[in-house]
Amino acid sequence: AQTVTQSQPEMSVQEAETVTLSCTYDTSENNYYLFWYKQPPSRQMILVIRQEAYKQQNATENRFSVNFQKAAKSFSLKISDSQLGDTAMYFCAFMMGQAGTALIFGKGTTLSVSS
Amino acid sequence: KAGVTQTPRYLIKTRGQQVTLSCSPISGHRSVSWYQQTPGQGLQFLFEYFSETQRNKGNFPGRFSGRQFSNSRSEMNVSTLELGDSALYLCASSLGWTSYNEQFFGPGTRLTVL
Repeated sequence: AQTVTQSQPEMSVQEAETVTLSCTYDTSENNYYLFWYKQPPSRQMILVIRQEAYKQQNATENRFSVNFQKAAKSFSLKISDSQLGDTAMYFCAFMMGQAGTALIFGKGTTLSVSS
Repeated sequence: KAGVTQTPRYLIKTRGQQVTLSCSPISGHRSVSWYQQTPGQGLQFLFEYFSETQRNKGNFPGRFSGRQFSNSRSEMNVSTLELGDSALYLCASSLGWTSYNEQFFGPGTRLTVL
């Protein structure tokens, strides 16, 4: 069975700083996807960034980038130039390559950005 | 484009009752997935429907069931409610053709069982 572990329950950062959220996963599959989702206090979950396991190049989306280490089964999220609006719970998630499979989420990291 | 909508947003029920939650996906999306979110267990997958067929199911008791209609709207039903069913129930819609299709989440239904 696949598992996702986020070892940092809470993190805090000042505006404009850079922060990295950690995520490790366990799987014996070779075809899968990895995601970071953000759930702000309003509760609507939104996709931040996604990575295909077969791609060696790390995904980037504006201020958000990942460090994907397939052999180490590590998938960290880096947020550059942190903004107050980045305050949220961040979930790392795994999904197998077959359509219709479940997103398997980590327990989440609560990120607080202060001015 | 309208987002994923869930009704009702809040619900209070008592033990033993049953409840039906509704999810309307983004237009054109054929897949709807349901997740239960609790502080203790986190986010757990309930089931996924694609074109009116249940394609995948999580590890929940048979009291949890769902269905999908021809317009892709989905409902989930929980019978014989237990206190432990109190949770935020999220649905997510996607095109459903590949796992890479982005899943868009609704705001959730907060269910409280007394």
